Amino acid sequence: DSGVTQTPKHLITATGQRVTLRCSPRSGDLSVYWYQQSLDQGLQFLIQYYNGEERAKGNILERFSAQQFPDLHSELNLSSLELGDSALYFCASRGTSDEQFFGPGTRLTVL
Amino acid sequence: KNEVEQSPQNLTAQEGEFITINCSYSVGISALHWLQQHPGGGIVSLFMLSSGKKKHGRLIATINIQEKHSSLHITASHPRDSAVYICAVDAGTASKLTFGTGTRLQVTL
Repeated sequence: DSGVTQTPKHLITATGQRVTLRCSPRSGDLSVYWYQQSLDQGLQFLIQYYNGEERAKGNILERFSAQQFPDLHSELNLSSLELGDSALYFCASRGTSDEQFFGPGTRLTVL
Repeated sequence: KNEVEQSPQNLTAQEGEFITINCSYSVGISALHWLQQHPGGGIVSLFMLSSGKKKHGRLIATINIQEKHSSLHITASHPRDSAVYICAVDAGTASKLTFGTGTRLQVTL
């Protein structure tokens, strides 16, 4: 158990819908990273937050957004969903070392 | 060309065999990570290294910064080692990771 929690575990929705994925980092970790793992693209970095502020952006679509709240949990919002958004979404937290601890992931299926 | 290349893509071994998975990268890095992903999907961090060699049990990771190359070795492989092994590099920009495509390892009895 990495200490990072993600909910929900599975999410099935339809095209055009909007969903919110939630991540709670390890106790005391200020950094949260979001990653997407799809069959055709592999694992890709989406976005990073540190203590409530956006720090880095990767290949994140404009239809996607994220935020980190004062209690340090983070949410990834995916809107106007398309079939190609079906993927595993992982969050990871990082503490004082550079090691990242991954959550169990949310499997999103868009029908 | 991907920034992080792994080889082989697939690997089948018999129990007890010594296994090596290779990772080459093309950018300057502050650290390299080896991750393990089991069929259930969860990702576990095995090693983070920036120089030399690290060992945990039957797993050994080495890195050569000058050659931009890392290897993950598994000694006395076991069927429970069957998983996808992923190399990822931290180029030092906010510590975001860039991933290789993974090596799928199957260890048979």
